[in-house]
Amino acid sequence: SQTIHQWPATLVQPVGSPLSLECTVEGTSNPNLYWYRQAAGRGLQLLFYSVGIGQISSEVPQNLSASRPQDRQFILSSKKLLLSDSGFYLCAWDEGRAGNTIYFGEGSWLTVV
Amino acid sequence: AQSVTQPDIHITVSEGASLELRCNYSYGATPYLFWYVQSPGQGLQLLLKYFSGDTLVQGIKGFEAEFKRSQSSFNLRKPSVHWSDAAEYFCAVGDPWSGGFKTIFGAGTRLFVKA
Repeated sequence: SQTIHQWPATLVQPVGSPLSLECTVEGTSNPNLYWYRQAAGRGLQLLFYSVGIGQISSEVPQNLSASRPQDRQFILSSKKLLLSDSGFYLCAWDEGRAGNTIYFGEGSWLTVV
Repeated sequence: AQSVTQPDIHITVSEGASLELRCNYSYGATPYLFWYVQSPGQGLQLLLKYFSGDTLVQGIKGFEAEFKRSQSSFNLRKPSVHWSDAAEYFCAVGDPWSGGFKTIFGAGTRLFVKA
């Protein structure tokens, strides 16, 4: 069966520091991969998605970037964090075909201080 | 473009009472429809989904949802709520001809369960 792992689960970082959140999916190949952010008390905002290695689409302009160095690995990064980057970040995947079901990781809490 | 509305920001029900969470969507044809549940500090878990066929869909944890095309709705129901059902619930609308990046999530409904 397929599994998704996301880490770290919790992160407290000072303003201006870099960020790296990592996500891997097991048990599938060539998935679509996603990064969402969920601000406190709000719904889900799609940040990035990837349909293949090295292919990244950004949904909103921001201080963050994403990379997909391997088929089942997705990384969310920032060179310099802002206070507004605080939130709950969710990695997700689907099977890469049209109309698929999205499955989520456990999430990463980021607090920028 | 599709959209999804969850009219209730939060709902409180008594344990053992029935539950209905509302979801309305806007889409030019029949979309794919999903309900997810999120416990505090956790990721989203898929409860059920509708792609086609029987408009009454059964899911995990005793939940069901009914697709009503005429009302553009996909309401989630449970006949008897348990305290462990307290969580946030998200309705989502997917495009059958595109990847998941076209899936739109509602703002969520937080369910409180009182003893």
